[in-house]
Amino acid sequence: GAVVSQHPSWVICKSGTSVKIECRSLDFQATTMFWYRQFPKQSLMLMATSNEGSKATYEQGVEKDKFLINHASLTLSTLTVTSAHPEDSSFYICSARDSLGLKAFFGQGTRLTVV
Amino acid sequence: AQSVTQLDSHVSVSEGTPVLLRCNYSSSYSPSLFWYVQHPNKGLQLLLKYTSAATLVKGINGFEAEFKKSETSFHLTKPSAHMSDAAEYFCVVSGGSNTGKLIFGQGTTLQVKP
Repeated sequence: GAVVSQHPSWVICKSGTSVKIECRSLDFQATTMFWYRQFPKQSLMLMATSNEGSKATYEQGVEKDKFLINHASLTLSTLTVTSAHPEDSSFYICSARDSLGLKAFFGQGTRLTVV
Repeated sequence: AQSVTQLDSHVSVSEGTPVLLRCNYSSSYSPSLFWYVQHPNKGLQLLLKYTSAATLVKGINGFEAEFKKSETSFHLTKPSAHMSDAAEYFCVVSGGSNTGKLIFGQGTTLQVKP
């Protein structure tokens, strides 16, 4: 079946630094990728939708200058958390969708801890 | 607009007894509905999905869900709980217009007692 690989699975960084999370579709072309954030004991919240070759669409309340999303190819999307702060600590999950169906394939998630 | 409500934030059952996780949805047209499971510190795994075919959907690990349009429900059931079923379960509705955007319920924590 389709596989989405997300890297790293966990990362610890210092306040003020930037962290890049990669999301790769390994065996299909992902025309659309989604980035979600999960706060402790809460549901996933959609942050942004990215389409290959175009600018990402951010959900209301998500700072596009802080959470930079790049979807430069059909198999790779990246989320960069810029100038990270402790409140950015969270679980980030990407999902990828091909052009054929409604099923979304999820990455394993990235646990970000900002100290 | 689409929305989904999971009626129980926490469900506790004994091993070997039935599981029922409740989900109600709101949609202005025929929705696609999903149940995902998330084990601690792991990514989401698709249990099953409904996409306007058979109303009774069978998924992995013995789970199934029934789409009831009249009740706008998509409850998840399993005849006999295993300890390994303890996890967070999310009911999800597709955002429609073939966008692939998913709208998540608040999640239900399933506890399985020995």
